Amino acid sequence: NAGVTQTPKFQVLKTGQSMTLQCAQDMNHNSMYWYRQDPGMGLRLIYYSASEGTTDKGEVPNGYNVSRLNKREFSLRLESAAPSQTSVYFCASRVDGSINQPQHFGDGTRLSIL
Amino acid sequence: AQSVTQLGSHVSVSEGALVLLRCNYSSSVPPYLFWYVQYPNQGLQLLLKYTSAATLVKGINGFEAEFKKSETSFHLTKPSAHMSDAAEYFCAVSDRDYKLSFGAGTTVTVRA
Repeated sequence: NAGVTQTPKFQVLKTGQSMTLQCAQDMNHNSMYWYRQDPGMGLRLIYYSASEGTTDKGEVPNGYNVSRLNKREFSLRLESAAPSQTSVYFCASRVDGSINQPQHFGDGTRLSIL
Repeated sequence: AQSVTQLGSHVSVSEGALVLLRCNYSSSVPPYLFWYVQYPNQGLQLLLKYTSAATLVKGINGFEAEFKKSETSFHLTKPSAHMSDAAEYFCAVSDRDYKLSFGAGTTVTVRA
């Protein structure tokens, strides 16, 4: 099983450029999430989608947009990249059910903005 | 809102020594708690989760965690460290909207 697949794995952008990070899961999960990871701050939720057709803001949504294209795919878009968005971005998915069902993570996209 | 505090951003242990990573949470009852591990250049993998069935939870790779409600803690331990345990470890708590709040992480270094 591939699990959660993120593309690209690495990307360098210039300030002001736009970029879409792709995420796909093959586990038939309803819920999907986008996080950013910065040193000393753990992971912070950017946006999440509880089901196809729905999206909600997380802790740090400013500067980002998302699209839940279908049940499998959840993309994250930076419309005008800023150096403060240099980070490692993780996508995760989760099966429905009890609250203690864990999230499953992709391997991340390492994004540098110059 | 839920929150998690991990005490110590770096822990260094000798191979074969006890590994102890501390996690305290702020949560409504009942808390839904997780430990994840991240190896270099990889995503997060689930180590274990608290299910309320038992206060001592066993996970993968010989790790376990003990839930102590009176101390609002969920510390992670492993009796004997191995070189392969070198990684970053995250404690997380879930709210009723299924969103995770993560601690800042603890990086474990294992000395030969």
